[in-house]
Amino acid sequence: GNSVTQMEGPVTLSEEAFLTINCTYTATGYPSLFWYVQYPGEGLQLLLKATKADDKGSNKGFEATYRKETTSFHLEKGSVQVSDSAVYFCALSDLYSGAGSYQLTFGKGTKLSVIP
Amino acid sequence: GAGVSQSPRYKVAKRGQDVALRCDPISGHVSLFWYQQALGQGPEFLTYFQNEAQLDKSGLPSDRFFAERPEGSVSTLKIQRTQQEDSAVYLCASSFQTTDGEQYFGPGTRLTVT
Repeated sequence: GNSVTQMEGPVTLSEEAFLTINCTYTATGYPSLFWYVQYPGEGLQLLLKATKADDKGSNKGFEATYRKETTSFHLEKGSVQVSDSAVYFCALSDLYSGAGSYQLTFGKGTKLSVIP
Repeated sequence: GAGVSQSPRYKVAKRGQDVALRCDPISGHVSLFWYQQALGQGPEFLTYFQNEAQLDKSGLPSDRFFAERPEGSVSTLKIQRTQQEDSAVYLCASSFQTTDGEQYFGPGTRLTVT
């Protein structure tokens, strides 16, 4: 079956530090990959996505590259801000994982706290 | 345009009670998903609708869980004879019928079974 493994949290960084959150996956087919973010008190929001190998998703200074050879989709940001404090979820969607649905398979989430 | 809405936002139920959770997807979105998120965990898939058809219910944990979307828009997730292990946040998501799986999530309903 499909699965997503992401680094355990919590992660605490100082403002302007470099962020990496590791994510690896296993999938039956050829999945699309996503990072979702959950800010305190809010619902899940799509942060970025990549649909094929070597694609780079980017948004709000965050980036992640779809690496088929290492089955990875690590999230990076060069300089984090206090407002980036949130829980980050890596996820995949694989058409062939279910009865024709695009259900998302999520990792357990990584809580990021950025301190001034 | 409005996003995905869910009601109620919070629900407390005594063990053994039945509950109904509502989801209003984004207008025009064909696909609708329900997920269960336990505390400190990632969301887990429950069931999927394409219009009014329930195409995948492989994630429903027991026959106490039932979902419907009779007119292809609003969906209801019903849990019968609730148990403490049903306590979780229930998330609804909708999407256009695309091949890349991007989904838009509602704020969730936090269910606490006492």
